[in-house]
Amino acid sequence: AQRVTQPEKLLSVFKGAPVELKCNYSYSGSPELFWYVQYSRQRLQLLLRHISRESIKGFTADLNKGETSFHLKKPFAQEEDSAMYYCALRVLTGGGNKLTFGTGTQLKVEL
Amino acid sequence: DTAVSQTPKYLVTQMGNDKSIKCEQNLGHDTMYWYKQDSKKFLKIMFSYNNKELIINETVPNRFSPKSPDKAHLNLHINSLELGDSAVYFCASSQDTPEQYFGPGTRLTVT
Repeated sequence: AQRVTQPEKLLSVFKGAPVELKCNYSYSGSPELFWYVQYSRQRLQLLLRHISRESIKGFTADLNKGETSFHLKKPFAQEEDSAMYYCALRVLTGGGNKLTFGTGTQLKVEL
Repeated sequence: DTAVSQTPKYLVTQMGNDKSIKCEQNLGHDTMYWYKQDSKKFLKIMFSYNNKELIINETVPNRFSPKSPDKAHLNLHINSLELGDSAVYFCASSQDTPEQYFGPGTRLTVT
């Protein structure tokens, strides 16, 4: 069965410091991975996906199949980055599109 | 022009009651989902419907019964509510892409 692990429940950094939110997965198929973000009092929304290899709000994430990881990185944290971040693995099942989420990491950026 | 909406936003009820949460999406998506986010912020899929047909059912107690009157709506009915049902319930939708669009959530408190 597929599994997504986010080892840090809370990550606290100072403004301007680098950020790395860890995500590891286990899946026997070809993985499709995503990062979703939930800002305070807002709905969960897609931040980025590994296929597009893009940078959103300064965040990047590279899929490392050898280490089965998809860590989210940003070189300089901003106060507005404070949020809950979820790593998610997409699994195609019976015509469905199922996302398995990690347990989430609360990022707190302090001044 | 909210894409995915849920009602109610908050629901406080007593153990043993039956309650429903409604979800509507105006994105024209074929697939809709229900997720449960527990007190530890763990987000887990419960159900998925595609064109009014159940395609994912993740070992959820049969006290939970989703109903999809049309592809724009997916309601969640819960019978005989228990304390452990207290959580935030999120509805989501998608169409042919892995990105899922989430509703604002319904915070259910069972006393």
